[in-house]
Amino acid sequence: AQSVTQLDSQVPVFEEAPVELRCNYSSSVSVYLFWYVQYPNQGLQLLLKYLSGSTLVKGINGFEAEFNKSQTSFHLRKPSVHISDTAEYFCAVSESAGRRALTFGSGTRLQVQP
Amino acid sequence: GAVVSQHPSRVICKSGTSVKIECRSLDFQATTMFWYRQFPKQSLMLMATSNEGSKATYEQGVEKDKFLINHASLTLSTLTVTSAHPEDSSFYICSAPGQSTYNEQFFGPGTRLTVL
Repeated sequence: AQSVTQLDSQVPVFEEAPVELRCNYSSSVSVYLFWYVQYPNQGLQLLLKYLSGSTLVKGINGFEAEFNKSQTSFHLRKPSVHISDTAEYFCAVSESAGRRALTFGSGTRLQVQP
Repeated sequence: GAVVSQHPSRVICKSGTSVKIECRSLDFQATTMFWYRQFPKQSLMLMATSNEGSKATYEQGVEKDKFLINHASLTLSTLTVTSAHPEDSSFYICSAPGQSTYNEQFFGPGTRLTVL
């Protein structure tokens, strides 16, 4: 079984400032890692994913994340945020072999202020 | 990318009635689909795995007789909330894995269920 911890329930930040959203996971098996964004009353959109290889993963909308195996972390970063980045962000894992369902973290609300 | 649709997007019903939610993969086939439930300001919790041609697999604590799942074809899965009660009010989201091997899920836009 896997679990995902997002330590920050809310992250307020000013426009054009950098941001980091933290994600830690635990698993007894090899996993794939994902970050999804959810806008109000909408489904989830994939930002980026880590499967294997380079630990620095670049995604859409200027986001990137770094996989750290020793710290079991997969933190999401953006060097300069926009008002439109205001949304809920979910970190998720799935087994790399076997069941394909996702286990989600509790989510982080990114609030970008002007 | 692959597109998953859900219908209806929003439904309000009286307590005791049943509500059916459809999840369709529009441009790809999905032998497996997943149903998640999201309470306000909370994360998504997996409810069940829908399997085309066989019974759904429910997560622990999810009542299979209350949440009926039917995977009628390779592009359609339905979730029926039977005898709905106010505590069933939630955001229901389905997803389908893509054709790749790395488990990327394509999510539907969700269905907001409100039980009065």
